[in-house]
Amino acid sequence: GDSVTQMEGPVTLSEEAFLTINCTYTATGYPSLFWYVQYPGEGLQLLLKATKADDKGSNKGFEATYRKETTSFHLEKGSVQVSDSAVYFCALRSMTTDSWGKLQFGAGTQVVVTP
Amino acid sequence: DAGITQSPRHKVTETGTPVTLRCHQTENHRYMYWYRQDPGHGLRLIHYSYGVKDTDKGEVSDGYSVSRSKTEDFLLTLESATSSQTSVYFCAISAGGMREENYGYTFGSGTRLTVV
Repeated sequence: GDSVTQMEGPVTLSEEAFLTINCTYTATGYPSLFWYVQYPGEGLQLLLKATKADDKGSNKGFEATYRKETTSFHLEKGSVQVSDSAVYFCALRSMTTDSWGKLQFGAGTQVVVTP
Repeated sequence: DAGITQSPRHKVTETGTPVTLRCHQTENHRYMYWYRQDPGHGLRLIHYSYGVKDTDKGEVSDGYSVSRSKTEDFLLTLESATSSQTSVYFCAISAGGMREENYGYTFGSGTRLTVV
């Protein structure tokens, strides 16, 4: 079945540092890929997405490129702020009979940015 | 989030009692989902609905039931609450469909349930 694997957290880094969160997937066919962010005490919000190979999703300074050859969708940001402290979830959607198009989420990666 | 509300936001209940959580949407979306979030497990799908009176099980459905009698409401019931069901519960909605550029979930703010 479909699955998403994320790097374990927490990831702790200083303000203005470079952030990378690794995400790899296993899926049938050609899934769409997503990054969601959860701020403390809130629900998840869509951060960015990519629907086909080599697409780059971007939002709020974050970027992720859909790499079919490595089945990856790593999230990056060049200079993080304290306000980026959150839990980040990688997710995929594949249109197969079993998955029915539902989102499959990774376990989440907590990011802590210190001043 | 705008268009989707969960109630209650917090609840403490005793083991063995039934509990119902409500998810209400004003977006007229076809699909609704219930997830639980636990440390180390991320989000796990409990049940989902693809239309009024159309529901199906997710990966962790034991001990839970759902109902959807109207497009806007999706109820999650813990038939006899246990301590293992202490968790944060999230509802999500989506319009579904095949247009990937429009696809995504909108999440509610969550219900923190404690079973003592």
